[in-house]
Amino acid sequence: IAGITQAPTSQILAAGRRMTLRCTQDMRHNAMYWYRQDLGLGLRLIHYSNTAGTTGKGEVPDGYSVSRANTDDFPLTLASAVPSQTSVYFCASSDSDGSGTQYFGPGTRLLVL
Amino acid sequence: GQNIDQPTEMTATEGAIVQINCTYQTSGFNGLFWYQQHAGEAPTFLSYNVLDGLEEKGRFSSFLSRSKGYSYLLLKELQMKDSASYLCAVRDSNYQLIWGAGTKLIIKP
Repeated sequence: IAGITQAPTSQILAAGRRMTLRCTQDMRHNAMYWYRQDLGLGLRLIHYSNTAGTTGKGEVPDGYSVSRANTDDFPLTLASAVPSQTSVYFCASSDSDGSGTQYFGPGTRLLVL
Repeated sequence: GQNIDQPTEMTATEGAIVQINCTYQTSGFNGLFWYQQHAGEAPTFLSYNVLDGLEEKGRFSSFLSRSKGYSYLLLKELQMKDSASYLCAVRDSNYQLIWGAGTKLIIKP
């Protein structure tokens, strides 16, 4: 792999179901992020992790949880999906050095019915 | 509160020059980023400014004035493939990115 991968590419989910979005990077970046992108709004940070073993809440964390057991993986879990969580979800990573530019995965398109 | 403002949509002609403006009000400033996002794809990094002035990278340039809370992205010799959304983001005092809603750029032949 080169960069960041996300799975699944898209998903239709019944409300109330549990869902985990997967994110893996092979760039050995320390920091990782989960965003959601909705029409007419900027990217909004859900959760982040500055390094393996630590996580933090972003702007819109409610209804979502994350874990960072190792450097490469940063899964996002919706414990009980609701229709307002219909969105495009992007995972990103950045190095701690230099500008800290964030690099994005291809995204997961989630529809909650 | 924190706020990033960009025009919602702009139209330009192939071969021309376009300037996309971004104004910001954030709690602290630790750099400004521009990203390009084609429809249905992920954002991709274009430029980074942390000091005042112009950064040039091929057909794209980005300008920053920290005292005015203002940046612009300048695209020269426009090509049809430049049709995309352009996202402005500021890194705040917590080193988190605050994103604008993006400017959709439409290029006409």
